[in-house]
Amino acid sequence: QQPVQSPQAVILREGEDAVINCSSSKALYSVHWYRQKHGEAPVFLMILLKGGEQKGHDKISASFNEKKQQSSLYLTASQLSYSGTYFCGTESGSGTYKYIFGTGTRLKVLA
Amino acid sequence: EADIYQTPRYLVIGTGKKITLECSQTMGHDKMYWYQQDPGMELHLIHYSYGVNSTEKGDLSSESTVSRIRTEHFPLTLESARPSHTSQYLCASSQGGSSNQPQHFGDGTRLSIL
Repeated sequence: QQPVQSPQAVILREGEDAVINCSSSKALYSVHWYRQKHGEAPVFLMILLKGGEQKGHDKISASFNEKKQQSSLYLTASQLSYSGTYFCGTESGSGTYKYIFGTGTRLKVLA
Repeated sequence: EADIYQTPRYLVIGTGKKITLECSQTMGHDKMYWYQQDPGMELHLIHYSYGVNSTEKGDLSSESTVSRIRTEHFPLTLESARPSHTSQYLCASSQGGSSNQPQHFGDGTRLSIL
């Protein structure tokens, strides 16, 4: 079952903040976040391994709530370069190698 | 830095032709994946492999087949291309072991079937 992301799409002005959510109907053991710019391949942003873990990368950070089976990506003071489609990704079950991506969130930052 | 290569980058070909999309990685990764993605849409897993001589089908029904004879090579074959196969195909790899290894992607092959 594919993780569901919300919102599906968001438009921001430079300097505004955004939150992207990733929810799974199955237990999550780890969550990866990727960004895909138009016409390019997805690029890995960060990984969250443990419940409650929060990681940061410049002005992009993420949290992982294992109990709620969800992760959130926080984009602070967004820049034009943040535009793209964001995907969460995870292995579909413990001990499997089947990797699945979330439904994706399209983010557009305007000047 | 990830090194994973896909060829060709673009392919326009007629219906009924046999097509092989190439994917190679130089990182010694055990796991490799093929995804199908229409522009701006979701990534759909069509095949994956966790090592030599192991292949599994993903969630998206596909008329393609894959092979994994060598660790570094994971080609995808369409025996008879149809217009419905028009899409972008992305190959990815990741280190074996636990689930904390991210996916590294190739640049993709944009396939158009006439």
